[in-house]
Amino acid sequence: EPEVTQTPSHQVTQMGQEVILRCVPISNHLYFYWYRQILGQKVEFLVSFYNNEISEKSEIFDDQFSVERPDGSNFTLKIRSTKLEDSAMYFCASSERGLLFFGSGTQLSVL
Amino acid sequence: QKEVEQDPGPLSVPEGAIVSLNCTYSNSAFQYFMWYRQYSRKGPELLMYTYSSGNKEDGRFTAQVDKSSKYISLFIRDSQPSDSATYLCAMSDSGGYNKLIFGAGTRLAVHP
Repeated sequence: EPEVTQTPSHQVTQMGQEVILRCVPISNHLYFYWYRQILGQKVEFLVSFYNNEISEKSEIFDDQFSVERPDGSNFTLKIRSTKLEDSAMYFCASSERGLLFFGSGTQLSVL
Repeated sequence: QKEVEQDPGPLSVPEGAIVSLNCTYSNSAFQYFMWYRQYSRKGPELLMYTYSSGNKEDGRFTAQVDKSSKYISLFIRDSQPSDSATYLCAMSDSGGYNKLIFGAGTRLAVHP
């Protein structure tokens, strides 16, 4: 069964460092998303991406964040200068006909 | 008032019980309602998807939407220990083409 793949599963970084989280969406899906979940809190929308551009972003998704689809298969989330409060589980998702399928997530720990 | 409210539990039931999980919401524009299951430190897994009001059944799972009351439910029949997980409701005004708003999740434990 096709699935969304995320790497790495865990990422530890120092405050102020740049991180790139990687995702391979399901191959025939056209819509891509990043969500995050801070420990003990709700899953929150960050950004949606369609046709090589951002279609919607949340207030969380400020200038420190960017997304890119560098080739036909990968979808990345970059955090330019990480803060302690960026520590969370980051989920990539892709959708077909409005149904979202999530990856297993990258646990980001900012020290 | 929060957009989506969901009792976080935990809910503990014996194997074979019928489980009822619920969410309320405030935004009348929501038309698409989903239930996801999340195991510890894993991604949400889509269980059920409903458009507008009504019922939908899939095996042991039944999803209900009452738009007049802004209330959705997920019923699990003949619950199994493998059903132990956190159940998240999610909703949007345009399906997955727009952002999903999630509830806090209800933690369910089914004991043998």
